[in-house]
Parts: sequence; C-alpha cells; structure tokens
Amino acid sequence: GENVEQHPSTLSVQEGDSAVIKCTYSDSASNYFPWYKQELGKRPQLIIDIRSNVGEKKDQRIAVTLNKTAKHFSLHITETQPEDSAVYFCASPEGGSQGNLIFGKGTKLSVKP
Amino acid sequence: NAGVMQNPRHLVRRRGQEARLRCSPMKGHSHVYWYRQLPEEGLKFMVYLQKENIIDESGMPKERFSAEFPKEGPSILRIQQVVRGDSAAYFCASSPMRTGTNTGELFFGEGSRLTVL
Repeated sequence: GENVEQHPSTLSVQEGDSAVIKCTYSDSASNYFPWYKQELGKRPQLIIDIRSNVGEKKDQRIAVTLNKTAKHFSLHITETQPEDSAVYFCASPEGGSQGNLIFGKGTKLSVKP
Repeated sequence: NAGVMQNPRHLVRRRGQEARLRCSPMKGHSHVYWYRQLPEEGLKFMVYLQKENIIDESGMPKERFSAEFPKEGPSILRIQQVVRGDSAAYFCASSPMRTGTNTGELFFGEGSRLTVL
C-alpha cells in the first residue's frame, strides 16, 4: 500500500522567514496530493492541493511543488506569520486517485514573532 | 451548512466499557471516513463507509471495533471493551465524492477525544 513519509517532524522559523515541508510517497499511481493544517485542538483543514498534471500551484503565501519522477512533493510557506503555527499534514491516496487518503505523520511548525 | 458534526467531543471510559462515537456528515455528503490520531502522530485511516455500506475497513482493528452508517442517522464508530491503548482522538470526515475524485477534499469534524482510565 501507499507509504507517505514527511519531514521534518518539527520546524521553527522566525516570523517573515520561509518554511518548507517535504513529503515522499511510494505509489507511482498516486495523482492527488493535498496538504492539511491542524491548529492545536482543532480539526484538520485543507489548505492547498495539487494534481499530477501540474508541477506547482500557488495560493497567496503558500505553494506546493510536485516531482512525480522522484515521488516527492513539498509545501512552501513564505513570509510566515505567527498564525501559521500549526501541524501540517501531507497526504496521498492509496491505489491511485480512488483510494483512501494516507497521511504523513505531520510537521509541527512554530513561527516565532 | 453546519459542517461535519461529531459527538461527544470528549469521552472518558474505564477499561472494559464501550465507547460510541457519532458523526453526522455535511449535508449532501454520502461518503464518511473515520481516522484515529494518537498524540504526536498523524491521522491513521480506519474505515470508509457510504450509506448502509462499509466500503473499506482495512484500517480497522479486527476485534472490538465496528462502524456503521445507517440509512437514517449518523455514522457510529463503536469500540467494545476499551483498553488504555484506545485513548486517542477519533476524527470523522465526509466528502461529496470518494477522495481523489473531482474535488477530493475531506471535510473533518472537530474530533472525539477518548480517554480510557
């Protein structure tokens, strides 16, 4: 089945700096890669996703890049703010596009003011 | 649209008791997923259901755990004879279509936090 590895497990940056979180996946048939943000004690929420027909997608200060050959995708947050502090999860569907989402173990991002 | 509703938000049980967690999906969503989150860990897939059908329970422990999504009413995750290792946050999510298709987004509830004493 699909295996999703995420790193780093913790990341601390100064406000205004950039943060990058990386994930690798094992199933070459996977073609959908979402990122979820979970604030402390809250529900996970989708912040951005990418499909395999594009290599990069941006939404204001966040972007996701995808390298299908190497089977990895990354989340980039620029100009970080304290409210970006949260746990971020990458995910990939098991068995291509139809499978259940398999999540990475999460990255705890701390943005210091 | 009220979003995915889970209850109870917090549940305390003693070892050997039963826990029942309920989930009402978003209006118009017929696909329900249950995930378990242990402290400092990611979301582990447990089971995927549609109305009256269990589609995929490959992530569910073989014993003591069961799930249903009846024609009427919420989806229920049932844990019998709970043990301390069952202590976790259990998240329900719903989607209008199976994840990966079309929109692909999972809408999560706030979670039910089970503590087993």
